[in-house]
Amino acid sequence: SQQGEEDPQALSIQEGENATMNCSYKTSINNLQWYRQNSGRGLVHLILIRSNEREKHSGRLRVTLDTSKKSSSLLITASRAADTASYFCATDEGNNRLAFGKGNQVVVIP
Amino acid sequence: EAEVAQSPRYKITEKSQAVAFWCDPISGHATLYWYRQILGQGPELLVQFQDESVVDDSQLPKDRFSAERLKGVDSTLKIQPAELGDSAMYLCASSRASSGGNTIYFGEGSWLTVV
Repeated sequence: SQQGEEDPQALSIQEGENATMNCSYKTSINNLQWYRQNSGRGLVHLILIRSNEREKHSGRLRVTLDTSKKSSSLLITASRAADTASYFCATDEGNNRLAFGKGNQVVVIP
Repeated sequence: EAEVAQSPRYKITEKSQAVAFWCDPISGHATLYWYRQILGQGPELLVQFQDESVVDDSQLPKDRFSAERLKGVDSTLKIQPAELGDSAMYLCASSRASSGGNTIYFGEGSWLTVV
């Protein structure tokens, strides 16, 4: 069953701008993972943040996690046309089984 | 970098026919998953294996779907008979262990169109 709810579901930005998307979930989690999916392709793992972590960075990506609000955010800084994709958050309750949201569609305009 | 291999990449089949998808996980990964992704939605778990054993198949429509991982390595997902509503992408994924906190790696997926 789907757990996360991403917001906004669609985002269009100019190249060079930052893109922020949010994810809310309902149950207690062990960790939360963000994935990218290019059109018609598989999912690429971006970052995993554990429930005892508040912020994590990877290159141009910054993820935050607020377990008290059951929410996470993904920030992509200095966006590029190649960042155009769907972004999914997925929660793991500790059984290594991911429950995905519906995804954010991000379009970066060159 | 090791990848999860899936085949076929695309499959068109007629309603009521049988179809099968194959997955080879990353070497050494004990846990294997099959997910289904309908266009415009997030993936949903169909079945999870730990080695050759099924850990969770609660969302697998068992009247028509079956999955096996006989030697605890590669896996096959079968649909028989296929229905129009089965049109989707079928994603295989793997991870090192079944305890929480492991990165789950996905393959490129198998697109199924039922006509």
